[in-house]
Amino acid sequence: DSGVTQTPKHLITATGQRVTLRCSPRSGDLSVYWYQQSLDQGLQFLIQYYNGEERAKGNILERFSAQQFPDLHSELNLSSLELGDSALYFCASSTRDRPKTGELFFGEGSRLTVL
Amino acid sequence: GENVEQHPSTLSVQEGDSAVIKCTYSDSASNYFPWYKQELGKGPQLIIDIRSNVGEKKDQRIAVTLNKTAKHFSLHITETQPEDSAVYFCAAIPNTGNQFYFGTGTSLTVIP
Repeated sequence: DSGVTQTPKHLITATGQRVTLRCSPRSGDLSVYWYQQSLDQGLQFLIQYYNGEERAKGNILERFSAQQFPDLHSELNLSSLELGDSALYFCASSTRDRPKTGELFFGEGSRLTVL
Repeated sequence: GENVEQHPSTLSVQEGDSAVIKCTYSDSASNYFPWYKQELGKGPQLIIDIRSNVGEKKDQRIAVTLNKTAKHFSLHITETQPEDSAVYFCAAIPNTGNQFYFGTGTSLTVIP
């Protein structure tokens, strides 16, 4: 158990809908990362927050948004969903803004299926 | 930005044999290279990492080598066991940024 909690574990929805994925980082971790893992794809970085502030942005679509709240949990909002958004969404946390080691702690992911 | 390539995408070995997974990176500013193991239904978990001032690091049956000049690094698993079956990801972290740049993953199957 990494200590990172993601909900929901599975989500099935229809095209055009909006969903929210939630992440609670490890206790004491200030940095939260969101990744998308599609079928046969690697881990695509979406966005990073550190202590409530956006720190880095990757290949995140305009239909997607995220935030980190004062209690450090984070939410990833996906709107106007398309079939191609079906993927496993991972949240990861670390202690630092710029990790000095490769230590990212991943949650077990939220599997989104868009029908 | 950094670009990490990983090969092979799938690898099958007999139990007890060795497995090697190779990655290349493009940004000479990258100085940390972690490897993650993702078991079925789980999130990736760090198994070993190496810094750019080190050429090789070993942890029991797992070793990682780094060639800074050629910009490539490899994961070596010896005496493979069925529980080594998983997807392995390499990553590179530039010292100038926050991002972990991941390879596309290698699905390793150890055949009993």
